[in-house]
Amino acid sequence: DAEITQSPRHKITETGRQVTLACHQTWNHNNMFWYRQDLGHGLRLIHYSYGVHDTNKGEVSDGYSVSRSNTEDLPLTLESAASSQTSVYFCASSEQMSSYNEQFFGPGTRLTVL
Amino acid sequence: AQSVTQLDSQVPVFEEAPVELRCNYSSSVSVYLFWYVQYPNQGLQLLLKYLSGSTLVESINGFEAEFNKSQTSFHLRKPSVHISDTAEYFCAVAPGNQGGKLIFGQGTELSVKP
Repeated sequence: DAEITQSPRHKITETGRQVTLACHQTWNHNNMFWYRQDLGHGLRLIHYSYGVHDTNKGEVSDGYSVSRSNTEDLPLTLESAASSQTSVYFCASSEQMSSYNEQFFGPGTRLTVL
Repeated sequence: AQSVTQLDSQVPVFEEAPVELRCNYSSSVSVYLFWYVQYPNQGLQLLLKYLSGSTLVESINGFEAEFNKSQTSFHLRKPSVHISDTAEYFCAVAPGNQGGKLIFGQGTELSVKP
């Protein structure tokens, strides 16, 4: 069955370190999204991609970057981790750019920045 | 710009009681409407969606939501809840002109007690 996976599931790091969160989907979806989930804020969009070599900034992109070298993967990099980036991160994918398409979510990565 | 407001952060109910989770949105363009559910320690799953047509949409596990354009609302209801419905519920909108991006509400934690 097609799926979307994230790794690691839990990560503890220190302020200032670079961290990369992996997202891999086997749906063959063109669209991929990264969100962060914080209490009281729901999910907020960090970055998104509509295809290989395409990346776009979302609502809360400062301090994060992504790159899309193939259809299956969209890694999220925190260039210099900050305590404000402690959060749960979700990756999602969808088939087309059409807004009526369902997004499929990964299980999440819980990141703690000390 | 679009925004989504979920009016209750927590809703405790007893098993077999009815429940309503409220969602209001604001948008200057037409939107598609979604409810996602997040069970403990899992990613989000689509519960139901409104694209067009009948304003009442149903899920396979007994939830329903009604789109009310004049009140810009999309409330979620279930006439009789089960312990297994305990989860966090997110209302989301996808503006028709923004390539599938989702804007989420803050989430409502539904806690069903025996």
